[in-house]
Amino acid sequence: DQQVKQNSPSLSVQEGRISILNCDYTNSMFDYFLWYKKYPAEGPTFLISISSIKDKNEDGRFTVFLNKSAKHLSLHIVPSQPGDSAVYFCAASGNTNAGKSTFGDGTTLTVKP
Amino acid sequence: DGGITQSPKYLFRKEGQNVTLSCEQNLNHDAMYWYRQDPGQGLRLIYYSQIVNDFQKGDIAEGYSVSREKKESFPLTVTSAQKNPTAFYLCASSIANPWGLNSPLHFGNGTRLTVT
Repeated sequence: DQQVKQNSPSLSVQEGRISILNCDYTNSMFDYFLWYKKYPAEGPTFLISISSIKDKNEDGRFTVFLNKSAKHLSLHIVPSQPGDSAVYFCAASGNTNAGKSTFGDGTTLTVKP
Repeated sequence: DGGITQSPKYLFRKEGQNVTLSCEQNLNHDAMYWYRQDPGQGLRLIYYSQIVNDFQKGDIAEGYSVSREKKESFPLTVTSAQKNPTAFYLCASSIANPWGLNSPLHFGNGTRLTVT
């Protein structure tokens, strides 16, 4: 049973518009959530995180929203840039070292110039 | 410049042979991890180590072995017992916080293993 789900395998947006990537989780013990970005043939890089005590965290063009009651989080990228084209992984962990995070399958974002 | 080095980038082996993937970090992180990624799937945890000379199995440890003799190094051996060894292998490290607070992972650039 997959505990972290990214239901959209791919997303395509126009440069300058908003990209919204979604993630759902089933384990109510998860209380720390992270987004990673991955380019082909490279390792993922950490993008932004949010603790369950918050419902929003912002870092420049990237904002993560957490809806605990719906067990849903989303990553907003505004404005989207062609360099944002990558695979985005959602990950969740439960009050321990985030290294034991459970990852979603990823969403491939393509930002068209 | 601190980071995680995985070598080699590509590795080819014949079925039935053991193979060891290297992972070295100079970030002074206590915790290190091995993940596996298959096409169209997320990362699955193979093994992790939060301190030298100690490691634990992750979700898919069968057919793999690790050692952690030095803080900087966490090699992964893919044994002949691993039924589907062809995959992209990622090593990562993080701060191991004794209070259990979370910290993000720093990843290497991976080793793509092909077994035929």
